[in-house]
Amino acid sequence: SYELTQPLSVSVALGQTARIACGGYNIGSENVHWYQQKPGQAPVLVIYSNTNRPSGIPERFSGSNSGNTATLTISRAQVGDEADYYCQVWDSSTVVFGGGTKLTVL
Amino acid sequence: QVQLVESGGGVVQPGRSLRLSCAASGFTFSGFGMHWVRRAPGKGLEWVTLIWYDGSKKYYADSVKGRFTISRDNSKDTLYLQMNSLRPEDTAMYYCARSDIVVVPTSIDSWGQGTLVTVSS
Repeated sequence: SYELTQPLSVSVALGQTARIACGGYNIGSENVHWYQQKPGQAPVLVIYSNTNRPSGIPERFSGSNSGNTATLTISRAQVGDEADYYCQVWDSSTVVFGGGTKLTVL
Repeated sequence: QVQLVESGGGVVQPGRSLRLSCAASGFTFSGFGMHWVRRAPGKGLEWVTLIWYDGSKKYYADSVKGRFTISRDNSKDTLYLQMNSLRPEDTAMYYCARSDIVVVPTSIDSWGQGTLVTVSS
């Protein structure tokens, strides 16, 4: 089965850029989606199909995907961006989530 | 706006059954694929199951195959999850969520607030 690998945690200074990686075999050929989940809340879609932002998501959120790594980039990080972030693909008739990355804004 | 409201969670003993429901509103329910996704305490998101917009296809995670059954009633705009032979490791918040289907499912663009299932003796 397909596996997606994410770092357990990423820290970023307030106002700086955070990058969260999602590794998978030849993931560059997949459509990767990213979700944000804050404590006690439902997940929210922040990037779909590698690079697209849903309406209402700030331009500070962007995505890229190439080779064996997809990346979620959060520019000018804010305290309100602290959350768990998950990458996701559809593979072999299953939805696959990465293990999740906890983002801390220092 | 899109609303997904789950119900039916609770505390249940191992080996027993539970049925979750998800009432949808604000969109054409029969036009979208629907998922159940769960998050166990201290763990990440785990996809559970997906049903096609017309109920013609159903997919399950290996961890629930043979025990859980997804279904939908498009006349009532409602999604269901029948959970049998429950195990302690099924303890989680269960989310109802939707995807467009364009040959394959697209991103999961709307989520409910979840219903908590606790399996314990």
